[in-house]
Amino acid sequence: EAQVTQNPRYLITVTGKKLTVTCSQNMNHEYMSWYRQDPGLGLRQIYYSMNVEVTDKGDVPEGYKVSRKEKRNFPLILESPSPNQTSLYFCASSSLGAGSSYNEQFFGPGTRLTVL
Amino acid sequence: AQTVTQSQPEMSVQEAETVTLSCTYDTSENNYYLFWYKQPPSRQMILVIRQEAYKQQNATENRFSVNFQKAAKSFSLKISDSQLGDTAMYFCALRRGTYKYIFGTGTRLKVLA
Repeated sequence: EAQVTQNPRYLITVTGKKLTVTCSQNMNHEYMSWYRQDPGLGLRQIYYSMNVEVTDKGDVPEGYKVSRKEKRNFPLILESPSPNQTSLYFCASSSLGAGSSYNEQFFGPGTRLTVL
Repeated sequence: AQTVTQSQPEMSVQEAETVTLSCTYDTSENNYYLFWYKQPPSRQMILVIRQEAYKQQNATENRFSVNFQKAAKSFSLKISDSQLGDTAMYFCALRRGTYKYIFGTGTRLKVLA
């Protein structure tokens, strides 16, 4: 089954304790992206990646890191989480190939993060 | 600045009726794509419909259609024959040529029995 998986689905942590949210896709997609969703703000793009070792900032990259060492994985790293990073996080992927002009994004199920 | 605005935080519609969700956007690019996503209570993001900016014809997917007014930078979503399963948060999104996405703040739609 084609899917984007995220782990963990729920996480409660404390300020300053480094954490990683994993994202993996099995569709051989070149493009992967991270978003955060907050009430009244919609989804905001954190980072995206066009391919292995190619990443770029979205609109809200501060406090986050990403890496793309393998095509299927795109982990989101919070080196020193703070309470304002409490949010719902989504990973998404899409193809960039010819014939995929719409490049539909497939979203993971979301990760609910609470930073105390 | 690139922006996407959804001015209706909440809407409701009677089952089987038609409802239109509004979306306006601003971009300086000529090559872009527009999307409507549905987020039911399960939180899963589901693509409803999409539109390429260079196509004048409005996109249609079954009961869902858009009214794309490029000059006015408007991209509204019409849901015909509303069903209880259409109850969800709906997000309008803009994808620029650089593959950056901007989402609106969402419209919460409730379909009433």
